[in-house]
Amino acid sequence: EVQLVESGGDLVQPGGSLRLSCATSGFTFGSYWMTWVRQAPGKGLEWVANIKQDGSENYYVDSVKGRFTISRDNAKNSLYLQMNSLRAEDTAVFYCARGRGFSRWAFDIWGQGTMVTVSS
Amino acid sequence: QSALTQPPSASGSPGQSVTISCTGTSSDVGGYNYVSWYQQHPGKAPKLMIYDVIKRPSGVPDRFSGSKSGNTASLTVSGLQAEDEADYYCSSYAGSNTLVFGGGTKLTVL
Repeated sequence: EVQLVESGGDLVQPGGSLRLSCATSGFTFGSYWMTWVRQAPGKGLEWVANIKQDGSENYYVDSVKGRFTISRDNAKNSLYLQMNSLRAEDTAVFYCARGRGFSRWAFDIWGQGTMVTVSS
Repeated sequence: QSALTQPPSASGSPGQSVTISCTGTSSDVGGYNYVSWYQQHPGKAPKLMIYDVIKRPSGVPDRFSGSKSGNTASLTVSGLQAEDEADYYCSSYAGSNTLVFGGGTKLTVL
C-alpha cells in the first residue's frame, strides 16, 4: 500500500524552528517529485515547496523563501521540511504529497498531515 | 503568486449536475494545461480528482470531468451523490516552478 506519514508538528514560539518529516512506503520514492502543502485552520490549501527526484532542484512559495528548506533522503524514503524563523501565519496543517509522475504539479498521494502551531 | 478565484459555495440536488469555476490569468490557468482539482472532506487529506485539465486518475468516477476556456477552468460533477459533498480546490502551475491553489468551493448536496 502506498503511504505517506508526516510527523514533527508541534507548538513552537514565534522565531523558533521545527523539522517536519514524511516517511513513505509502497512506491519507489526516488522516482518522484515530492511536495509540501499547508492549510491554515479553516482556510484553503497553499503550495509550500517541492523537490526533484535526486534533490538537485527545489522551489518555494515566496512567503517561506529563506526560512524553510525542503530536503529528502532517498535511502530512507523520507522527505523533510526544516522551518526556521517561524511566524504566527505559518500555523497550519502541513501535508506531504507525491507528484504524479510526469504531471509533477498534480499530487496523487497525500499524507494525513501534521499540525504546526506558532504561538507564544 | 495570487490565489485562483473560486466561488465560495455551490449546491445541487442528488442526480443534478454542478459546475465549479476556477479563474486565473494568462500567467497560470490560461498559460498552461496543468490545472488540477482536489476533493477534501472535513478533517481529511485532499484527493486528486482531475489533473492536466481533463484527465481523471484511475478510481475517480467518470461523473467528474474537467475543462478549460481561456483563463477559467471548470470542474463538473454530474449525477450528484451525497458523498460528493465536500470542499473542492483547483490548482494551476503558475510559471517559474511555482503552483497556486484556488480559495476553495464548498459543494453542498441538497
